[in-house]
Amino acid sequence: QSALSQPRSVSGSPGQSVTISCTGTSSDVGSYNYVSWYQQHPGKAPKLMIYDVSKRPSGVPDRFSGSKSGNTASLTISGLQAEDEADYYCCSYAGSYTFVFGTGTKVTVL
Amino acid sequence: QVQLVQSGSELKKPGASVKVSCKASGYTFTNYAMNWVRQAPGQGLEWMGWINTNTGNPTYAQGFTGRFVFSLDTSVNTAYLQITSLKAEDTAVYYCARVNIAAATTELDYWGQGTLVTVSS
Repeated sequence: QSALSQPRSVSGSPGQSVTISCTGTSSDVGSYNYVSWYQQHPGKAPKLMIYDVSKRPSGVPDRFSGSKSGNTASLTISGLQAEDEADYYCCSYAGSYTFVFGTGTKVTVL
Repeated sequence: QVQLVQSGSELKKPGASVKVSCKASGYTFTNYAMNWVRQAPGQGLEWMGWINTNTGNPTYAQGFTGRFVFSLDTSVNTAYLQITSLKAEDTAVYYCARVNIAAATTELDYWGQGTLVTVSS
């Protein structure tokens, strides 16, 4: 199972929007609406931000949103804030009770 | 409140074994499977597999068969990851994270704080 492909880095100024792509295959992202996104600050454990492609857990700001088209899922952060600077990972269900993570994207707030 | 508390950092020599624990509290342990995720220094997250806390049945990802063993002690709501014949490339932070098998969901909604395992002679 190969890791899902994400851009190494994206950046934006405060208040702007950034979008992170997560490209998989027809065996994972393309087959299931079970894509989740995790935020990880340096030295910290990952935190769930989006699940089931576009659902937000309680407490996650609504400036975080998710979508999917074909084999590619996306995470959009609108109204970028300084505290959003972190690494972001997508994760997809891949069948037979297995999961695969993305390669990770560093978001920089300029 | 939900907590997953992992054991402390370990320094091991090549060829040794290590056992990392993940103690759960604040929820019904057997309603949630426990996943294990590896993060090598400066690298991304890697899903290692999970263990069904009802049956004890483990599922291992490709690349994590043989030397990696998931186990449970449901009497103390604790999951374990054991790694045998340690190699330098096993140096990483290992996380446990739960997923709701009772509701058949797929998101890892709570994570442990991570355990750093360092393999060095």
